[in-house]
Amino acid sequence: GDSVTQMEGPVTLSEEAFLTINCTYTATGYPSLFWYVQYPGEGLQLLLKATKADDKGSNKGFEATYRKETTSFHLEKGSVQVSDSAVYFCALRVRQAGTALIFGKGTTLSVSS
Amino acid sequence: DVKVTQSSRYLVKRTGEKVFLECVQDMDHENMFWYRQDPGLGLRLIYFSYDVKMKEKGDIPEGYSVSREKKERFSLILESASTNQTSMYLCASSKDSNYEQYFGPGTRLTVT
Repeated sequence: GDSVTQMEGPVTLSEEAFLTINCTYTATGYPSLFWYVQYPGEGLQLLLKATKADDKGSNKGFEATYRKETTSFHLEKGSVQVSDSAVYFCALRVRQAGTALIFGKGTTLSVSS
Repeated sequence: DVKVTQSSRYLVKRTGEKVFLECVQDMDHENMFWYRQDPGLGLRLIYFSYDVKMKEKGDIPEGYSVSREKKERFSLILESASTNQTSMYLCASSKDSNYEQYFGPGTRLTVT
């Protein structure tokens, strides 16, 4: 079935370090791909998305490119801040299956000053 | 801004009790969802609804039911709470299949 695999955390970085969180997917259709972020004590917020191959989603300095050939959607940021500490979820939606999202298990990022 | 609210942030119930979790959205969204979030398991879909009085089972519906009598409100019901239903419950809504999901702040339910 359809699924999302994320790198396991926690990821611990110093401020201004480069961030990569890996995400790969398995899907039978042509999925849309998402990154959601959950700050402590809050619900999930959409960080960025891509709806077709080679699309690049970007927001708040984060980027991810939809790579159909490697079935990946890795999240990157050039210089992380303490305020980026959160849990990050990769997700997909297969159009033929309706509107529900399939989430990865989440990756906890902790950034220290 | 879209707002999704959940009736409680924290809830403690006893085994066997009937539990109601309420979710309200204020943007006239068609679709509403209930997820449960557990450490190491991510988010798992319990039920979703694509219209008033319509519902679909998600990946883990056992032990839960839902009600959607009005477009803006989607309730999750635990008929007889058990300790393995201790979890964070997240509600979400979306306009339709081409739009993002907006999440509420979550309800942390503890069943003792």
